Amino acid sequence: EVQVVESGGGLVQPGGSLRLSCAASGFTFSTFSMNWVRQAPGKGLEWVSYISSSSNTIYYADSVKGRFTISRDNAKNSLYLQMNSLRAEDTAVYYCASDIPSTGASYWGQGTLVTVSS
Amino acid sequence: QSVLTQPPSASGTPGQRVTISCSGSSSNIGSKYVHWYQQLPGMAPKLLIYRNNQRPSGVPDRFSGSKSGTSASLAISGLRSEDEADYYCAAWDDSFYVFGTGTKVTVL
Repeated sequence: EVQVVESGGGLVQPGGSLRLSCAASGFTFSTFSMNWVRQAPGKGLEWVSYISSSSNTIYYADSVKGRFTISRDNAKNSLYLQMNSLRAEDTAVYYCASDIPSTGASYWGQGTLVTVSS
Repeated sequence: QSVLTQPPSASGTPGQRVTISCSGSSSNIGSKYVHWYQQLPGMAPKLLIYRNNQRPSGVPDRFSGSKSGTSASLAISGLRSEDEADYYCAAWDDSFYVFGTGTKVTVL
């Protein structure tokens, strides 16, 4: 059974830091590129960052560039998002999501809520 | 970074056909695959259509996707009450992934 479980969310003050983790199982994590996607309360989906299967290619949305860092550990089947200099507008549910291969197999977690507030 | 434009809402009665449009540009929809996601209330998004018109395993054939130029469409035929959800189109655009603005489908 495929499982994708995010953790690390919580309440943080503006300017603070948080590290999100995503633990994957039930599929060959090391062969999938991965993404972080977020959704602010009552709003639409916003892509945050992408990392290729071997970590060779990394992309960020302009809104987080220079503040967030994506990484992965294929030996631990885990994806991470280091978030620094957090702002109120970073408040959202953060989803870990696999990229979409030619088979259409796509895996998403249930999300972890990050709230940035004083 | 741009967004893809969708109508905010769409509706239909059970059994009807509903179509959702998604408008982009030559750098995203015009040259890349389009994907569609369904997000049921309180749930994580789920991939509904990939590579413009392909359905992942388990997605009913009531859902279909198409693309023409810089626009794409999702059609839901034989609308059912469980189809009431938010729907998002998405595509890569150079080095970033862009989502549509989202369409809320209501089953009357």
